[in-house]
Amino acid sequence: GENVEQHPSTLSVQEGDSAVIKCTYSDSASNYFPWYKQELGKRPQLIIDIRSNVGEKKDQRIAVTLNKTAKHFSLHITETQPEDSAVYFCAASITSGGGADGLTFGKGTHLIIQP
Amino acid sequence: GAVVSQHPSWVICKSGTSVKIECRSLDFQATTMFWYRQFPKQSLMLMATSNEGSKATYEQGVEKDKFLINHASLTLSTLTVTSAHPEDSSFYICSARLGQGLGQPQHFGDGTRLSIL
Repeated sequence: GENVEQHPSTLSVQEGDSAVIKCTYSDSASNYFPWYKQELGKRPQLIIDIRSNVGEKKDQRIAVTLNKTAKHFSLHITETQPEDSAVYFCAASITSGGGADGLTFGKGTHLIIQP
Repeated sequence: GAVVSQHPSWVICKSGTSVKIECRSLDFQATTMFWYRQFPKQSLMLMATSNEGSKATYEQGVEKDKFLINHASLTLSTLTVTSAHPEDSSFYICSARLGQGLGQPQHFGDGTRLSIL
């Protein structure tokens, strides 16, 4: 089955700086890669996702890049703010129209924004 | 849009009790829902895929007789933890997929914190 590795486990950056979280996946058939933000005791919230037919996607301060050849994808957060502090999870799945596509998650990155 | 409601949010019960958790998609129909388990400070682990009108698909290592899943309608899936024991204590969280197309996003419920005494 799919295996998703995520690094680093903890990332501390100064407010205003950029943060980068990296993930690798093992199954070349995976074609959908979402990123979730989870605050303590709360639900994971989808912040951005990318499909395998796209190499990069951006939404304001958040961007995701995908390298299918190397089987890795990264989350980039620019101009970090205190409210960005949370645990971030990457995930991968194999999807097809109407097919089951449970997510395989990375172990998470605890992002700490230092004021 | 894409709101998923999960109930109850917190359960504390004695060992041997069976506990039912509900997952509802409030403003959309979900033919497929997913159940995950999350231990403290760990990642989410997929337990099973719940398909409306058919049997759930369980991940390897998840006991189907222990974790009963029923998806009787397009907006409701239930997870019943049967004869729960302390090792079943965890955060259980469901998600529902919006739409059927390729790579449609999953939206999560608020989760249920289950504590077995």
